[in-house]
Parts: sequence; C-alpha cells; structure tokens
Amino acid sequence: SQQGEEDPQALSIQEGENATMNCSYKTSINNLQWYRQNSGRGLVHLILIRSNEREKHSGRLRVTLDTSKKSSSLLITASRAADTASYFCATAGYQGAQKLVFGQGTRLTINP
Amino acid sequence: DTGVSQNPRHKITKRGQNVTFRCDPISEHNRLYWYRQTLGQGPEFLTYFQNEAQLEKSRLLSDRFSAERPKGSFSTLEIQRTEQGDSAMYLCASSPTAGGYSNQPQHFGDGTRLSIL
Repeated sequence: SQQGEEDPQALSIQEGENATMNCSYKTSINNLQWYRQNSGRGLVHLILIRSNEREKHSGRLRVTLDTSKKSSSLLITASRAADTASYFCATAGYQGAQKLVFGQGTRLTINP
Repeated sequence: DTGVSQNPRHKITKRGQNVTFRCDPISEHNRLYWYRQTLGQGPEFLTYFQNEAQLEKSRLLSDRFSAERPKGSFSTLEIQRTEQGDSAMYLCASSPTAGGYSNQPQHFGDGTRLSIL
C-alpha cells in the first residue's frame, strides 16, 4: 500500500517556470527521498532529507520537510524540457529501515 | 559505475507459465531490493537482501513469488503460475551499506516489464 499522497497528480508548466510538488505521508519517518522517473525507465535518486532537517538544496532543487504536518515539498526552479518526468517521494520508516514506501507520484510536463 | 542491470527488459508470457527475471546490482553494493510498479502508481516494495540473506519480504510476495541472491551478487525473481494481476514493471535497486543507521539512496535498474496474456 502507498504511504501517502502526492499533489498535484499532474502538473503542466512553461519552460523557465518553477514547479512545486507536494507529498504527504502517514507515519513517522527516518528520512524522505525524492526520485525522478522518465517514461519506461527506472527511478533516479534526486535528494534525501532526514527527519531532523527542514530544508535541503541540490542545484535547481529545493526540498522542505515538515514532520509536524507529515509533509514535504519539492521545488524545481527554472524548469527545462528535460525535467519532464514523474516525480515520487519515498519514506524510510525508522533508523536502519531499508524498505522505501513510495507515493503515487506527480507527472510533470514542461512545455517548450 | 555500470549501473544496475535488469534482464530481460520485456517479457510476454501466457497465464500459468513461470517466469524468471535477473538483476545485476552495482558491484560494490551489498544491498539489493525488488519492487513492483503498476501503471500510474509508485513502486511497491517486494523484498530486500543484504549480501545473500533475504532480510525482509512484503505480504505482496505470495507463495508464487521467490527471490534468491545465492552468492550475494546477482539476484533472480521467479514468479510461478503467472496470473493476469502479475502484469507490472519489476524494478531492482541496490545500495551500499551505510555507516551507522543512515539510509543510503537506492540505485534503480530500468526494470523488466511483464505482460501476461
């Protein structure tokens, strides 16, 4: 079963705009990770944020985590056509947990 | 770094047949995972190995499913007596052992897409 929900399910924006995706989860976590998946391909790890962190940056990506609200957001700035993909959040439930529980994903389309 | 390799990429079979998939993880990774992904959904965890030991199995892994990692390197996932509901993408991932309890990102292969006729 899925851990949580992602919002929106689909997002279409113009190249150069910022894209924001949200993820909510249900149980306490050790860390939360974001992955990207291009059509027909495997998942690519983007960023990991631990439960004691509130914000993390990597290039054009910014992730926030609010454990009191059990939610996270992924911001992609200055979007490019190559950012078109599905984006998934995944949670690890406790220290040492190896199983990742994924959300349903947000399908992002960047229009040139 | 040659990445995680999965074979075959596509498998079409008739209901009731047995199928086997192979995963070759990144060579220095001792953790290996199997997930199943259906269309429009996120991956669902099936099982996890540390070296050759299978340490966790999901309830999704029915009696018809078996996974092995005999020498702690490549892994196979077998589905016996396939059913229509087994149609999905089967993803393999690997990760290194982290110091302490911190989790490491998982590196995914491109999956095996299974279609049951």
